[in-house]
Amino acid sequence: DSGVTQTPKHLITATGQRVTLRCSPRSGDLSVYWYQQSLDQGLQFLIQYYNGEERAKGNILERFSAQQFPDLHSELNLSSLELGDSALYFCASSVGPMGGAGDSPLHFGNGTRLTVT
Amino acid sequence: GEDVEQSLFLSVREGDSSVINCTYTDSSSTYLYWYKQEPGAGLQLLTYIFSNMDMKQDQRLTVLLNKKDKHLSLRIADTQTGDSAIYFCAESAARGATNKLIFGTGTLLAVQP
Repeated sequence: DSGVTQTPKHLITATGQRVTLRCSPRSGDLSVYWYQQSLDQGLQFLIQYYNGEERAKGNILERFSAQQFPDLHSELNLSSLELGDSALYFCASSVGPMGGAGDSPLHFGNGTRLTVT
Repeated sequence: GEDVEQSLFLSVREGDSSVINCTYTDSSSTYLYWYKQEPGAGLQLLTYIFSNMDMKQDQRLTVLLNKKDKHLSLRIADTQTGDSAIYFCAESAARGATNKLIFGTGTLLAVQP
């Protein structure tokens, strides 16, 4: 158990809709990362927050947005959903802002599987 | 550009050694990671190596790094059926205010009993 909690585990929705994915980081971790895993694109970095502030942006679409709250949990909002948005969405957390450095590895949640029909 | 490549599939017999290979392009990578993903689960950190090291051993896992060729490998000794999973390598390099982690495409390891 990584200590990172993601809800819901599964989400099925229709095109054009909006959904919110939630992530609680490991206790003590200040950074939260969102990744999208799809068959054709692999694991793609979307966005990082550190202590409530956006830290880095990756391949995140304008239809997607995220935030990190004072209690450090994070939400990823996906709107105007398209069929191609169907994927596994992972949240990861790390202690500091430089997650991915050896002493601050990323710990992943079990993901939310989004299916857009 | 930044790219991490892995072979897609590896099949071994239980008890044999498995070697999963990875090549990367970013010479400024500071840390290289191996993650394991079991069905329905997230990525589990297995081990990592700092770029100034050649080898790291952790129980049944041995990581070898050839920095000149930008080649990373993960050797699993005495492979068990429970090792069946997708294995991802990832390179990490500082990018301004954050660290950028680039993942490979993953290698599916199938262990035959």
